[in-house]
Amino acid sequence: NAGVTQTPKFQVLKTGQSMTLQCAQDMNHEYMSWYRQDPGMGLRLIHYSVGAGITDQGEVPNGYNVSRSTTEDFPLRLLSAAPSQTSVYFCASSSLDRGQRYNEQFFGPGTRLTVL
Amino acid sequence: DQQVKQNSPSLSVQEGRISILNCDYTNSMFDYFLWYKKYPAEGPTFLISISSIKDKNEDGRFTVFLNKSAKHLSLHIVPSQPGDSAVYFCPLPNNDMRFGAGTRLTV
Repeated sequence: NAGVTQTPKFQVLKTGQSMTLQCAQDMNHEYMSWYRQDPGMGLRLIHYSVGAGITDQGEVPNGYNVSRSTTEDFPLRLLSAAPSQTSVYFCASSSLDRGQRYNEQFFGPGTRLTVL
Repeated sequence: DQQVKQNSPSLSVQEGRISILNCDYTNSMFDYFLWYKKYPAEGPTFLISISSIKDKNEDGRFTVFLNKSAKHLSLHIVPSQPGDSAVYFCPLPNNDMRFGAGTRLTV
């Protein structure tokens, strides 16, 4: 299993450009999420999904769109990039097995995005 | 509003000594509590959990303590090693799992 994969690893955008950060998992996890990491702010939840066709907002959803058309993929879209979106983005997934004691989240390696 | 607070942004410990990291919850109505560890340039990884019906869980050098009445969670690392230097998080185990700023441990 590849686990959680993210592409690209690095990206530089100009203000106003759009792009999609890709996230895929091969563990058949129902739950997927996106976080951004900024100095002094820790990890902040952007959007999450509990299954295909279902998405919800996290702490900092503004400026980002998501969709979940398949169980495996959870892309994050920046419609009009701004310098404030310069950050490291992490995707994560976990099962939602109610019979488990807890549902460990597995994180991807991250995408480092710079918006000029 | 359910929140978790890690009041110490950083902690420095000598190799071989004990590291104690703390979390306080505003609402302890969860079945379990979790600790994650994060190295620079990597995603967080799950470290250890504790059921809400227990007050202690050990896994090698790592022990997590839960004080439900005080709504307090702590992670003990004994003995601390340089490889333990990382940021540690105690996220709320909700669907919208929020990690906060964490505590940076330097050994």
